[in-house]
Amino acid sequence: EDQVTQSPEALRLQEGESSSLNCSYTVSGLRGLFWYRQDPGKGPEFLFTLYSAGEEKEKERLKATLTKKESFLHITAPKPEDSATYLCAVRPTTSGTYKYIFGTGTRLKVLA
Amino acid sequence: NAGVTQTPKFQVLKTGQSMTLQCAQDMNHEYMSWYRQDPGMGLRLIHYSVGAGITDQGEVPNGYNVSRSTTEDFPLRLLSAAPSQTSVYFCASSYRQGGGNTIYFGEGSWLTVV
Repeated sequence: EDQVTQSPEALRLQEGESSSLNCSYTVSGLRGLFWYRQDPGKGPEFLFTLYSAGEEKEKERLKATLTKKESFLHITAPKPEDSATYLCAVRPTTSGTYKYIFGTGTRLKVLA
Repeated sequence: NAGVTQTPKFQVLKTGQSMTLQCAQDMNHEYMSWYRQDPGMGLRLIHYSVGAGITDQGEVPNGYNVSRSTTEDFPLRLLSAAPSQTSVYFCASSYRQGGGNTIYFGEGSWLTVV
């Protein structure tokens, strides 16, 4: 069964304290892996798409990496404004199906 | 650029009432979809559409109805609201080909059924 698991569920960091969020996935084949940021009371905001193992993408203090079984979202020297829930999703290669599987997210709190 | 627009933002319904959540996108995306988000659960697909006149069921379709008469609009109808439908609803859209299949979300509609 296709599955996405994110860890940890919640993470508290001091400002400047770098860390990583994990997204483990089990799918029959990967068409794409997506990272989103969600602020309270808002819709998910697109961050990155990764397609193949070894791929990396960066945006400001965020860097996403992908292996055959998991993806990491590395946060370098975070600031309080990075506080949000970070969602991971995968799109399996199941043909003819519009299917994205979402994890339950990691709630990140960055303290000043 | 408005992106994906949902209305209303908040709604309270009584059990048994019906209502429609509106969704419009201005990106000329072929794919549109509706998700619900509940505490402790990932976003779950309710219904989706791959183009005007074409709709299909997702993971949790019961109690909901959709139609797609234009590329831009994809309303979600609750036929007879139940407390189990209390949730946050997100409309999303994406290109069918290209664009990395990335889906873009609206701001959400908070629905409470009492």
